[in-house]
Amino acid sequence: DVKVTQSSRYLVKRTGEKVFLECVQDMDHENMFWYRQDPGLGLRLIYFSYDVKMKEKGDIPEGYSVSREKKERFSLILESASTNQTSMYLCASSLTRAGDEKLFFGSGTQLSVL
Amino acid sequence: AQRVTQPEKLLSVFKGAPVELKCNYSYSGSPELFWYVQYSRQRLQLLLRHISRESIKGFTADLNKGETSFHLKKPFAQEEDSAMYYCALAIYNQGGKLIFGQGTELSVKP
Repeated sequence: DVKVTQSSRYLVKRTGEKVFLECVQDMDHENMFWYRQDPGLGLRLIYFSYDVKMKEKGDIPEGYSVSREKKERFSLILESASTNQTSMYLCASSLTRAGDEKLFFGSGTQLSVL
Repeated sequence: AQRVTQPEKLLSVFKGAPVELKCNYSYSGSPELFWYVQYSRQRLQLLLRHISRESIKGFTADLNKGETSFHLKKPFAQEEDSAMYYCALAIYNQGGKLIFGQGTELSVKP
């Protein structure tokens, strides 16, 4: 079974702090994604990566950055956390092959910024 | 623009009733559509994809290109179907990223 592991289930941070959300997958997937999940807004793509050291902006990249130094690990960074970044963050991975875009999700990190 | 719309935030039905969760999309290419489901306290997971033409847990979804829709249907809802459902569209030329709709919460009452 594919496993996507997010390092923290709950995080509480203060405004202005630098925050790191870590995600690791164990199935050698090329693609990795970061979404945030908000009630009424669904899942919105923040950043994704289709190869090591590659990254692409999603629909809402402002205030975020990412790092992918190794294939299995994809980190989301909030350079200076703000209260409007309080959300559930979901990491996902998938294979690249066309027609095989099934995403495997982590269990999520609920981030609260005070 | 690429977009997925789920017009219903909440759908409440009684056990045994038919259920239809609506999904409309906007995409200039050939659409590849999915339904994902999130049960309480569980991870988001794939329910079905249109290319497989499969039926999972009694759910089916038919792609209607004329109406740009991919509605999810089940003839007889069960209480265990209560969950959050997301429709998603794959964008092939952008690393296989998925664009999700806003989600519909399905509540099946006894």
